Amino acid sequence: DAGITQSPRHKVTETGTPVTLRCHQTENHRYMYWYRQDPGHGLRLIHYSYGVKDTDKGEVSDGYSVSRSKTEDFLLTLESATSSQTSVYFCAISPANTEAFFGQGTRLTVV
Amino acid sequence: GESVGLHLPTLSVQEGDNSIINCAYSNSASDYFIWYKQESGKGPQFIIDIRSNMDKRQGQRVTVLLNKTVKHLSLQIAATQPGDSAVYFCAENRPGGYQKVTFGIGTKLQVIP
Repeated sequence: DAGITQSPRHKVTETGTPVTLRCHQTENHRYMYWYRQDPGHGLRLIHYSYGVKDTDKGEVSDGYSVSRSKTEDFLLTLESATSSQTSVYFCAISPANTEAFFGQGTRLTVV
Repeated sequence: GESVGLHLPTLSVQEGDNSIINCAYSNSASDYFIWYKQESGKGPQFIIDIRSNMDKRQGQRVTVLLNKTVKHLSLQIAATQPGDSAVYFCAENRPGGYQKVTFGIGTKLQVIP
């Protein structure tokens, strides 16, 4: 999986609690992305990063924040989880903002 | 082909036959296209890409065809194998970098042994 590790792989959390998902890469790629995947919607970009401390919003960024303090780590935080954020979350990396390599995904359930 | 909706389009193919998965893209300004394969429980995996200045590109057992006139992309898989069973996504990239990529909902390929 191109040296990408997502953690945790599964999580159940309660509405209103903060949640942080971690993406770790060993490829030293500049670009990192967080997507969510839901039935009928395909993959949708939440946030992306184009370098350490350089991040920007994707198409579904409301309710999410990210941080990238090191090249290898990209964190996604749900500030106050809601049931609509129940989804499968994928991290991806890219060396040159072209094709991406995806992690195994994190299945998040908000109850 | 692909359609927006809750039910994935499904293509069933006999093992050994060729598969053709179609994709209609939406933006005439898109200049880069990617096919991904996603097996159950896994993340998408890059298969092949093509830029808008090309109309055909070949990889190992796969060929991507691009018809810009009708905004259509296809993925051809030769001699389909059981391991090819997966959901296949096309993605279109508008100018501005990968953050401008839009994914289709995918087509499920079922290979019949």
